[in-house]
Amino acid sequence: DTAVSQTPKYLVTQMGNDKSIKCEQNLGHDTMYWYKQDSKKFLKIMFSYNNKELIINETVPNRFSPKSPDKAHLNLHINSLELGDSAVYFCASSQHGATDTQYFGPGTRLTVL
Amino acid sequence: TQLLEQSPQFLSIQEGENLTVYCNSSSVFSSLQWYRQEPGEGPVLLVTVVTGGEVKKLKRLTFQFGDARKDSSLHITAAQTGDTGLYLCPLGTALIFGKGTTLSVSS
Repeated sequence: DTAVSQTPKYLVTQMGNDKSIKCEQNLGHDTMYWYKQDSKKFLKIMFSYNNKELIINETVPNRFSPKSPDKAHLNLHINSLELGDSAVYFCASSQHGATDTQYFGPGTRLTVL
Repeated sequence: TQLLEQSPQFLSIQEGENLTVYCNSSSVFSSLQWYRQEPGEGPVLLVTVVTGGEVKKLKRLTFQFGDARKDSSLHITAAQTGDTGLYLCPLGTALIFGKGTTLSVSS
């Protein structure tokens, strides 16, 4: 069984469009995360949710809006996509907090044309 | 500002060689984790070290935590092509992963 799953795996879209990436974890973890990994492999935290509540919101444009309908899901919606949004987006989860082991999804490669 | 540095940023070696990568921080780690990210996949935890001076071994990989808990090293003996990947040591509660060390092992 997949622990942390993301859909879609690949997403190619035009500038200005709105898109969503879905994430689900079946580990029963309390905390979920969204990371962005750029072309230079720099992995940067975007958001962290604990029990459906936002606890970390790094300096991310407000075009990015996370939504956690329940503890097992954390979706990422992006409005008005820009070229610079092209990256690989990773969802992750951990039992409680950031010092616990994080389990990462397979990533979503977003390409904005 | 918390700083995290990993070195070298890139390393390209032949199978059978030994190597060491380093993780240094301006802050004290409460605990330190090493992750490996293989191409096309998400990072996977290799080890967690907690006590200053601690040494942990995972087959050919040896992890050492600095006495002051501000640095760590990962030594790989007799590297194999399967060791290829991006090695990351995040700065715990701040969730700072940085650029890591990209290791390429060729046969």
